[in-house]
Amino acid sequence: EAGVAQSPRYKIIEKRQSVAFWCNPISGHATLYWYQQILGQGPKLLIQFQNNGVVDDSQLPKDRFSAERLKGVDSTLKIQPAKLEDSAVYLCASSRGGRGETQYFGPGTRLLVL
Amino acid sequence: DQQVKQNSPSLSVQEGRISILNCDYTNSMFDYFLWYKKYPAEGPTFLISISSIKDKNEDGRFTVFLNKSAKHLSLHIVPSQPGDSAVYFCALLGIQGAQKLVFGQGTRLTINP
Repeated sequence: EAGVAQSPRYKIIEKRQSVAFWCNPISGHATLYWYQQILGQGPKLLIQFQNNGVVDDSQLPKDRFSAERLKGVDSTLKIQPAKLEDSAVYLCASSRGGRGETQYFGPGTRLLVL
Repeated sequence: DQQVKQNSPSLSVQEGRISILNCDYTNSMFDYFLWYKKYPAEGPTFLISISSIKDKNEDGRFTVFLNKSAKHLSLHIVPSQPGDSAVYFCALLGIQGAQKLVFGQGTRLTINP
C-alpha cells in the first residue's frame, strides 16, 4: 500500500511571496489533515477534511492560508502572502475516518521563508 | 496555553536498558492517547496507543501506561535498541468533536551502543 505523498519536499521563498503544497492521501482514506510543525514543537492541526468537506479549520490563519480537497482525494494548501513565521514543516496525514483510526503521515514539506 | 507537555526535550539511554518517555496533560477531555515516532526527514509514524478505559497497553518491547488521576502518560521501551533513536511525540484525542490530535513538543531519544 502506497503511503501519503507530498510535494515539494523543500521550498525556499521570500516573505510576501505565495507558495502551494500538494498532498495525495492513502487510497480510500476519507479523512485528510494538514499540520504545521515549527522547529522544536509538535505538529499543530491546521485543517481537517472529511471527504471534500471541512471538519475543523479553527487553527488555520484564514487571512493568508487556504486549503481545498477537490473530489475528496488530493489536497492543496496555499499560503499567500508568506511571513517569516510560516517557516515550518507542513505535514499531510490521512486516515480511514473512524474515531481513533490511525493517522498516517507523509514526509512533509519543509518551508523556509526569507 | 499548552494542553500537552513533554518536559524532557532529550533523553540518552544505554543500549539494552529501559527508556522511559513522559507526557503530561492538563485537560480531562481526552480519551485516547497515542505515541508517534519520527525519524529525520520523515513524517511521524504511529507506535502504540491506549484508551482511557485502560491503564496499560503492551506491544512487544513497547508499553504505554496511563495514569488518569495524575493526567500522566508514559512510554516504556525495553530493551532499548539503536534503531529506537528518534523523536517521540505523545498525541491526545479529545472526547468530542473531530479527530483532532493534540501533540506534545517531542522528546529526542538517543540510544548509545
